[in-house]
Amino acid sequence: EPEVTQTPSHQVTQMGQEVILRCVPISNHLYFYWYRQILGQKVEFLVSFYNNEISEKSEIFDDQFSVERPDGSNFTLKIRSTKLEDSAMYFCASSDNGGGTNGYTFGSGTRLTVV
Amino acid sequence: KQEVTQIPAALSVPEGENLVLNCSFTDSAIYNLQWFRQDPGKGLTSLLLIQSSQREQTSGRLNASLDKSSGRSTLYIAASQPGDSATYLCAVNTGFQKLVFGTGTRLLVSP
Repeated sequence: EPEVTQTPSHQVTQMGQEVILRCVPISNHLYFYWYRQILGQKVEFLVSFYNNEISEKSEIFDDQFSVERPDGSNFTLKIRSTKLEDSAMYFCASSDNGGGTNGYTFGSGTRLTVV
Repeated sequence: KQEVTQIPAALSVPEGENLVLNCSFTDSAIYNLQWFRQDPGKGLTSLLLIQSSQREQTSGRLNASLDKSSGRSTLYIAASQPGDSATYLCAVNTGFQKLVFGTGTRLLVSP
């Protein structure tokens, strides 16, 4: 069964550093997403991406965050100047038609620890 | 603003029991609802997707129902097994390119 692949599985970074989280969505999917889950809290939407641009973003997704599809297979989330409160599990997801027919497929996540 | 709540927050049952997990949402204008399973420290595994026009979906021992007008969905697990122990999340597709997740139900099935 097709999978969404995320790397790395765990990243530790120092406060103030920049990190890039990487995702390879399912190959024939057109819509891509990032979500995050702070320990013990709900999974929260960050951003959706379609046709090489952001289609929706949450209040959390401020200027500290950016997304990019640098080539035909990767989808990245960049977090600039990380803060302690950015520590969370970050999930990438993809869908073929915006989640209407076949829902969303999530990756296994990247655990980001900011120290 | 869509809010999704799941009850109970935690559930502990002996193996073999049938059980029901509840999900409620405040805005009935949804596209669909998806149930996920999350193992500790792991990703989200999709279990069932139920469209707004459907009443229920089944996969093996799992059955999900949807009552859109009352803002409720239930996940029924038949003949529970220790391997079913995980956190179960429901998520509502609001139609604005995002899912709104519930608080989750942490299930423990003991042998």
